Amino acid sequence: SQQGEEDPQALSIQEGENATMNCSYKTSINNLQWYRQNSGRGLVHLILIRSNEREKHSGRLRVTLDTSKKSSSLLITASRAADTASYFCATEGNTPLVFGKGTRLSVIA
Amino acid sequence: DTEVTQTPKHLVMGMTNKKSLKCEQHMGHRAMYWYKQKAKKPPELMFVYSYEKLSINESVPSRFSPECPNSSLLNLHLHALQPEDSALYLCASSQDDGGREIYFGEGSWLTVV
Repeated sequence: SQQGEEDPQALSIQEGENATMNCSYKTSINNLQWYRQNSGRGLVHLILIRSNEREKHSGRLRVTLDTSKKSSSLLITASRAADTASYFCATEGNTPLVFGKGTRLSVIA
Repeated sequence: DTEVTQTPKHLVMGMTNKKSLKCEQHMGHRAMYWYKQKAKKPPELMFVYSYEKLSINESVPSRFSPECPNSSLLNLHLHALQPEDSALYLCASSQDDGGREIYFGEGSWLTVV
């Protein structure tokens, strides 16, 4: 299975702090994507990193990919209360996106 | 316009009912997807349509029947569902079915009673 496994399952931080979430997967991939989901809502695409890329930035987001370790990390800098959500990594290889179990992030004002 | 629209937002149906979930996108995307998500779980892929043809069926029971009338529309026909089918059903689309960002709708909450 290509399912990613996020770590930690839940994370609680103070507003202004940085949040780091990790994702590990099992098989070779073409790309890895991160999504955010507010409670009971649809998923919002955050960033896509291809297998030949090592790092990407988008605003306050920084994603790294280490294909030798089959792992990725998502860093959210200067977190805000509005960042409270579940964050999923999703891998794409021989099949369309397969999602990991997610990290529930709570940012306390 | 990066919007995928799903209707209805909420649906309650009995186990003998027939209902449909609808999804629409006007981004010119040629791949469309149905995902199922149970509470506190990740989305699970059900079906993929590529250029209006069913390309992937993830061993979904036949009580779920997808339909792609045209490149902008995707339906999910529901018949004789079970209470355990209650979930959030998410429609999504992408430019094509390889290596692209996938855009999700807000989902349809289905409750089977």
